Amino acid sequence: DIQMTQSPPSLSASLGDKVTITCQASQNINKYIAWYQQKPGKAPRLLIRYTSTLESGTPSRFSGSGSGRDYSFSISNVESEDIASYYCLQYVNLRTFGGGTKLELK
Amino acid sequence: EVQLVESGGVLVQPGRSMKLSCAASGFTFSSFPMAWVRQAPTKGLEWVATISTSGGSTYYRDSVKGRFTISRDNAKSTLYLQMDSLRSEDTATYYCTTDMGPFAYWGQGTLVTVSS
Repeated sequence: DIQMTQSPPSLSASLGDKVTITCQASQNINKYIAWYQQKPGKAPRLLIRYTSTLESGTPSRFSGSGSGRDYSFSISNVESEDIASYYCLQYVNLRTFGGGTKLELK
Repeated sequence: EVQLVESGGVLVQPGRSMKLSCAASGFTFSSFPMAWVRQAPTKGLEWVATISTSGGSTYYRDSVKGRFTISRDNAKSTLYLQMDSLRSEDTATYYCTTDMGPFAYWGQGTLVTVSS
């Protein structure tokens, strides 16, 4: 089974900052990674698929990149509505989520 | 508008069984593979199972193999999860989701609590 190591587990940022979250897969996942945002008490929301393709409605301050085993997700100019938990998901072979990153305001 | 509405979550004793349902609307249910994803209280997301469009292929995470069964009724646009031999570690909110690679559409979730 493919494992996804996500870091950091938590992140503190000021409004307007750029933040980056990484996910490392235990093997090559050929860019089949998605990123989700989840707010307390709500279902996750798909933000990005296939490494860097933004879903309809995803603000352009969100971005993704990477290849092989190593991937990153960034938010430039953090806004208050971005305070949430974020998860990566590999979907090349079955499905595996990363452990999550909780983004808080500094 | 795509809607997924889960139901069936309750408090159940360890070792017992229960069945979750997910009613779908707003899209052609029979054209989408479907999945269950769970989230234990204060924990991360965990994929549980996926079923193909026809129901002929199913996939499970190791920890639920042999205990959980995913199924679907395309005529009723409904997804199911039969959960047997429940354990305390199965306590979670269970989400129904479309599985076209990434999970795109999600229900609001239903809470399953396994406790004596």
